[in-house]
Amino acid sequence: DGGITQSPKYLFRKEGQNVTLSCEQNLNHDAMYWYRQDPGQGLRLIYYSQIVNDFQKGDIAEGYSVSREKKESFPLTVTSAQKNPTAFYLCASSRDRAETQYFGPGTRLLVL
Amino acid sequence: GESVGLHLPTLSVQEGDNSIINCAYSNSASDYFIWYKQESGKGPQFIIDIRSNMDKRQGQRVTVLLNKTVKHLSLQIAATQPGDSAVYFCAETRGSNYKLTFGKGTLLTVNP
Repeated sequence: DGGITQSPKYLFRKEGQNVTLSCEQNLNHDAMYWYRQDPGQGLRLIYYSQIVNDFQKGDIAEGYSVSREKKESFPLTVTSAQKNPTAFYLCASSRDRAETQYFGPGTRLLVL
Repeated sequence: GESVGLHLPTLSVQEGDNSIINCAYSNSASDYFIWYKQESGKGPQFIIDIRSNMDKRQGQRVTVLLNKTVKHLSLQIAATQPGDSAVYFCAETRGSNYKLTFGKGTLLTVNP
């Protein structure tokens, strides 16, 4: 898991509720990423951030929001607009573009 | 669009045998490739990477081969151990891209 932490390990969401997943890194990496993984599937990019106060939509950004106020932190909010939020969420960071991305341990989000 | 695909979704080997996991990519502009190992319920773990100016790279018990002519990537694991049992993903990126494109993964099972 390197120097990337994610919390909580499990998260339960009620209908209509927004929930926020935490991601922190102490690798001094500029770039951070959020991926979604569904059972038996590869990883799909939700959002990424190249630098503080900047972020870009990935392939499946609808229903999600992010912020990057600090270099070491990149929280992901799953909004009520995301109708199928049940998945394994993975945060990653890299030193720069086209560099190895290192992953956190993941947060499993379940809907009540 | 471009994608990274895996030839076999599952691979079962005997402990001590060598394992070969294959990956095909479709975009000749891809220039950086990474292999990840993901154990159940955990985040992907970096194994080895290779850039397009190389054909082969070796790590501890692992070797990655890149054949740019046929757009094929393979991961070889020597003397496979039960602890190697996991899902293995290849991922690719191109140019100055931040985004990694992942394949769906190959489940490696090592039988004692």
